[in-house]
Amino acid sequence: GENVEQHPSTLSVQEGDSAVIKCTYSDSASNYFPWYKQELGKRPQLIIDIRSNVGEKKDQRIAVTLNKTAKHFSLHITETQPEDSAVYFCAASNTGGFKTIFGAGTRLFVKA
Amino acid sequence: GAVVSQHPSRVICKSGTSVKIECRSLDFQATTMFWYRQFPKKSLMLMATSNEGSKATYEQGVEKDKFLINHASLTLSTLTVTSAHPEDSSFYICSARDSGLAEQFFGPGTRLTVL
Repeated sequence: GENVEQHPSTLSVQEGDSAVIKCTYSDSASNYFPWYKQELGKRPQLIIDIRSNVGEKKDQRIAVTLNKTAKHFSLHITETQPEDSAVYFCAASNTGGFKTIFGAGTRLFVKA
Repeated sequence: GAVVSQHPSRVICKSGTSVKIECRSLDFQATTMFWYRQFPKKSLMLMATSNEGSKATYEQGVEKDKFLINHASLTLSTLTVTSAHPEDSSFYICSARDSGLAEQFFGPGTRLTVL
């Protein structure tokens, strides 16, 4: 079945450094790739997304890259701040089928 | 962004009772709603997909007779956990999507504890 793998499971960085989280997906029909940030006990919040017709998208300190050939996509956070500490989930979906598959999550710690 | 509410936010019940969780889209029509289950420090596991006016589609391993889903209107879906047991204790989150759009909006979640 469809699968999304996410690495690393835990990431610890110093404030101001960059953080990179990588995901791979198996379903070649996937064409929408959102990233969510979830704080403890809260709902996942969409932070950025990318569609299959685009290779890169940036929003201030957050950027996402997509390599459809390799079925890889990555989240880049620059100039990290303590408030970036949370669990980040990548996901892949097919807007035709609407089903979204989530990665296992990355727990990001930003040390002040 | 669109707002999705979920009620109750927290529920504690005795083993064997049934619990109903409501998911509402407040400012848009949700043709599709999803129900997820999340264990501590784990990812979101899709339980079922519901479309307004039709039967829900359950993921493999999810008992449809135990987790009853009703999507009676374009703004409301309910999940009923029947004959709940301690192993059903979890964080249940719904999400909703407007027709033709890829983005889904999450509710705040319901923490279920079965004693």
